[in-house]
Amino acid sequence: DTAVSQTPKYLVTQMGNDKSIKCEQNLGHDTMYWYKQDSKKFLKIMFSYNNKELIINETVPNRFSPKSPDKAHLNLHINSLELGDSAVYFCASSQDSEETQYFGPGTRLLVL
Amino acid sequence: DAKTTQPPSMDCAEGRAANLPCNHSTISGNEYVYWYRQIHSQGPQYIIHGLKNNETNEMASLIITEDRKSSTLILPHATLRDTAVYYCIVRLPHPPYNQGGKLIFGQGTELSVKP
Repeated sequence: DTAVSQTPKYLVTQMGNDKSIKCEQNLGHDTMYWYKQDSKKFLKIMFSYNNKELIINETVPNRFSPKSPDKAHLNLHINSLELGDSAVYFCASSQDSEETQYFGPGTRLLVL
Repeated sequence: DAKTTQPPSMDCAEGRAANLPCNHSTISGNEYVYWYRQIHSQGPQYIIHGLKNNETNEMASLIITEDRKSSTLILPHATLRDTAVYYCIVRLPHPPYNQGGKLIFGQGTELSVKP
């Protein structure tokens, strides 16, 4: 009965590859987010979707493309992976009226 | 978005109250104060939030000064499981503010609860 789940938990890949991270929430929330936590532990928002529409797009390279097939899912596709993409990626969701964000367990991406 | 300042680390004895301060001197009238924590290797977890009044829930209490320029998160009886990085965040509500949904995390306070 996990509220926000992410797959995979760990992802090790080579530079230049394309990879996807999936996120699903079963809370019935309208809004979903992607955050990146780098090696210095700074957590920074990347994207936010509300009812499948993009509402926040921070200065993230075009190689990162979020896709929301429905309200319960927000996937992150990354093209041409670079060493600097190595980080922990967290998905989160919230219901607008409640404002509280619930985070997933994170996906640890290592680019070699 | 307003910025927050927190001490980088604090220690607390198990069973004692942990008081975590946060400075947000540039906070605007519409911005809420939120507290999240991140236990090692886990996703951030919501603790509590408030606008002007003090708030209490099953996890913690939030004391906001009258001028709203600072706040204190209180864990009344800290346990070893409360060891985590605690983030104080100010944010606009969403809706109506379109950019209000995002959380801007600072460095936080690393709280170590010791036996």
